[in-house]
Amino acid sequence: DTGVSQNPRHKITKRGQNVTFRCDPISEHNRLYWYRQTLGQGPEFLTYFQNEAQLEKSRLLSDRFSAERPKGSFSTLEIQRTEQGDSAMYLCASSFVMSRDYGYTFGSGTRLTVV
Amino acid sequence: AQSVTQLGSHVSVSEGALVLLRCNYSSSVPPYLFWYVQYPNQGLQLLLKYTTGATLVKGINGFEAEFKKSETSFHLTKPSAHMSDAAEYFCAVSEDSGGYQKVTFGTGTKLQVIP
Repeated sequence: DTGVSQNPRHKITKRGQNVTFRCDPISEHNRLYWYRQTLGQGPEFLTYFQNEAQLEKSRLLSDRFSAERPKGSFSTLEIQRTEQGDSAMYLCASSFVMSRDYGYTFGSGTRLTVV
Repeated sequence: AQSVTQLGSHVSVSEGALVLLRCNYSSSVPPYLFWYVQYPNQGLQLLLKYTTGATLVKGINGFEAEFKKSETSFHLTKPSAHMSDAAEYFCAVSEDSGGYQKVTFGTGTKLQVIP
């Protein structure tokens, strides 16, 4: 297992278009998190899954955002009708609930630019 | 609610000099504390973590941090900076939130190493 994989690495889209990002967590990790990082800021929590269940969503996640994790494996994050303010790095992380290692493993992120 | 404050958004040190990156936290319960490093256009990599036990924590790449409860601090140090240490560093705190560890990040400190 090579870690958390995110695709695409970069995405440029026109305002108003829909975009979808994919995250493949470490296979034995049952928790998956999405974070958003804007320039000059630390990552901000968006949402979290345990297996296929989405258990918490941040108020940052507007109605235009939707995340899924079918079958508790990979996850997708979709942004509809993108706005320039959506430009950011979208980070995915995973962890194992029974592990006493409380650190997340992050992917390399997807950088979204809305023009 | 938990929070993290990183003092200094930019720190410059000479190669071979001591690195000191400051982090203060706020948490209503005994916290778990982390330092992550991020290289340009990359995800976050865990440097070290404090959960319980010894308050001086050693991490990768020669970094260490000391948990000081009385000062609510978790400063990151390295005795001798190397050019490869130039990156952005994030302090983070986590606490149990409805059965999972919710991680809150600071705004980051960019470390510049001067030859």
